[in-house]
Amino acid sequence: NAGVTQTPKFRVLKTGQSMTLLCAQDMNHEYMYWYRQDPGMGLRLIHYSVGEGTTAKGEVPDGYNVSRLKKQNFLLGLESAAPSQTSVYFCASSSALRTSGRSDTQYFGPGTRLTVL
Amino acid sequence: GEDVEQSLFLSVREGDSSVINCTYTDSSSTYLYWYKQEPGAGLQLLTYIFSNMDMKQDQRLTVLLNKKDKHLSLRIADTQTGDSAIYFCAESKGTGGFKTIFGAGTRLFVKA
Repeated sequence: NAGVTQTPKFRVLKTGQSMTLLCAQDMNHEYMYWYRQDPGMGLRLIHYSVGEGTTAKGEVPDGYNVSRLKKQNFLLGLESAAPSQTSVYFCASSSALRTSGRSDTQYFGPGTRLTVL
Repeated sequence: GEDVEQSLFLSVREGDSSVINCTYTDSSSTYLYWYKQEPGAGLQLLTYIFSNMDMKQDQRLTVLLNKKDKHLSLRIADTQTGDSAIYFCAESKGTGGFKTIFGAGTRLFVKA
């Protein structure tokens, strides 16, 4: 049981390049999320998904796209990277089941550190 | 609007108690969480409290909730160097993780 995994762990891009970050979870969770973490700003939600084939915008969606073609995978795409997208990106997942008040507990991946030059 | 605020840094000596404070604005929050982030890793749930509780104790951890003042605290007894990490407070309405608002995190330094 690997939990939530993210690839790659590190990436350096030039402005204007594109890339896709992959998140995979093996806990059969319905909900998946992409966050970015910046110093002094905590976690900000980029996009999320409540099920296979569905996605929705979070707090800071501009410049990113996502897809959830399979329940276990959630992809984050940067079409034309900008220096402002330099950040650490975390994927998370959670169950839709409401048991013992833990329905919103999120399980996080180890993060992807992205630098855009 | 919804906001969660925490102080950014806390330094304590090994063996002392640490108290990390958090204030939130949404009185309809159902669950309040403490997550821990160790260097180079993702966040892990440390503990949580339901909004109808005042206190929750789990081994060295004590969570206090003052719903009237919208104030949440995490006390770590007998703080160890392994407790050095960033601690995030989060509030949720319990309708899905996309309704969870995280604070900026408090970096705890434990001096030997």
